[in-house]
Amino acid sequence: SQQGEEDPQALSIQEGENATMNCSYKTSINNLQWYRQNSGRGLVHLILIRSNEREKHSGRLRVTLDTSKKSSSLLITASRAADTASYFCATAVNYGGSQGNLIFGKGTKLSVKP
Amino acid sequence: DAGVTQSPTHLIKTRGQQVTLRCSPISGHKSVSWYQQVLGQGPQFIFQYYEKEERGRGNFPDRFSARQFPNYSSELNVNALLLGDSALYLCASSINPFMVTGELFFGEGSRLTVL
Repeated sequence: SQQGEEDPQALSIQEGENATMNCSYKTSINNLQWYRQNSGRGLVHLILIRSNEREKHSGRLRVTLDTSKKSSSLLITASRAADTASYFCATAVNYGGSQGNLIFGKGTKLSVKP
Repeated sequence: DAGVTQSPTHLIKTRGQQVTLRCSPISGHKSVSWYQQVLGQGPQFIFQYYEKEERGRGNFPDRFSARQFPNYSSELNVNALLLGDSALYLCASSINPFMVTGELFFGEGSRLTVL
């Protein structure tokens, strides 16, 4: 089953604009991670935010986490055509004895037009 | 350093056949996880292996099995293939098995088509 749900499912913007993607999840988490996937290829880790953090930056990326609302957002500033990809949030959850897997959402498909 | 490598990159099988997918983790990574990604969906966890032992299993039937070798490489086997097994199979490695502390490094995947 999928823990996270990204919103919107698809987003189309012009180069230079900002892109915001949201993720909601259901259960308590240890951390939340964002990954990027170019069409049909492997996923690339972007950023990890721990449950006791509220905001984190990495280059043009800004991630926020609101554990009271069980939600996170990924902001990409000054987007480029090369940012065109699918973006997934993933949560690390403490199951009994199993801490080794991430639960991914369905992703947001971002299209940045030149 | 080489990243996570997977083979084959593409393969076509028919229903009822068996398939073996292979994965070599990043040097120094002892944990390997397998994920299935159906078109339009996010990756679904299948297995995790650490130090040659199974550390986690997702909600997949017994037709799916895996193992990890002494050099930490891994194989995923799927028996009695069904049309619904058509997907991108992703292997990921990490230094330790605990996702509460770290991230996953993914390979480019093996695209399986079942006819």
